[in-house]
Amino acid sequence: DAMVIQNPRYQVTQFGKPVTLSCSQTLNHNVMYWYQQKSSQAPKLLFHYYDKDFNNEADTPDNFQSRRPNTSFCFLDIRSPGLGDTAMYLCATGLRGTENEKLFFGSGTQLSVL
Amino acid sequence: DAKTTQPPSMDCAEGRAANLPCNHSTISGNEYVYWYRQIHSQGPQYIIHGLKNNETNEMASLIITEDRKSSTLILPHATLRDTAVYYCIVRGSGGYNKLIFGAGTRLAVHP
Repeated sequence: DAMVIQNPRYQVTQFGKPVTLSCSQTLNHNVMYWYQQKSSQAPKLLFHYYDKDFNNEADTPDNFQSRRPNTSFCFLDIRSPGLGDTAMYLCATGLRGTENEKLFFGSGTQLSVL
Repeated sequence: DAKTTQPPSMDCAEGRAANLPCNHSTISGNEYVYWYRQIHSQGPQYIIHGLKNNETNEMASLIITEDRKSSTLILPHATLRDTAVYYCIVRGSGGYNKLIFGAGTRLAVHP
């Protein structure tokens, strides 16, 4: 059974049109991460939530926002997508407070900005 | 976190052992070595991690040199489904330590 679920699997949006990607988890993990992965590149960390605390990476554009209304759900909002935001967006969860935090990834949402 | 160096690509025959090397010469005493893999169009998957002792689980074995400056991930009997990008990541323990991906090794298992 899928433990980290991302919807939709594929998303197409127009240049400048806001888009929201969603992630849910059944693991009751206290941390949720968002990564961006462009074609043929490694995943790049955008930000994460530790419980309700939001932690942004220094080089994440302001265009990218996130919400975590409860433990199970986390959203990635792209306010004005550009062509360069076409990528796979990966959600991951982890249980901080354990000695070694393993991350569990969803299957990703492939976003195409046209 | 310490930087890692991996070969960009490797080949392996099906049924043979795949040995994937990783250099992490600047690793510090409290940093662990993690391995993840990413099969095409899927999210990364945790494989194994270790500090200084060799580790084995149902997926793979991890061999860490005595000076901890390098390690090798071993898939004992590679199958076609093991074709993936394999990421070696060095990460601190406890508190918050980011999982930062490098370029990884693209392993191709062929019949």
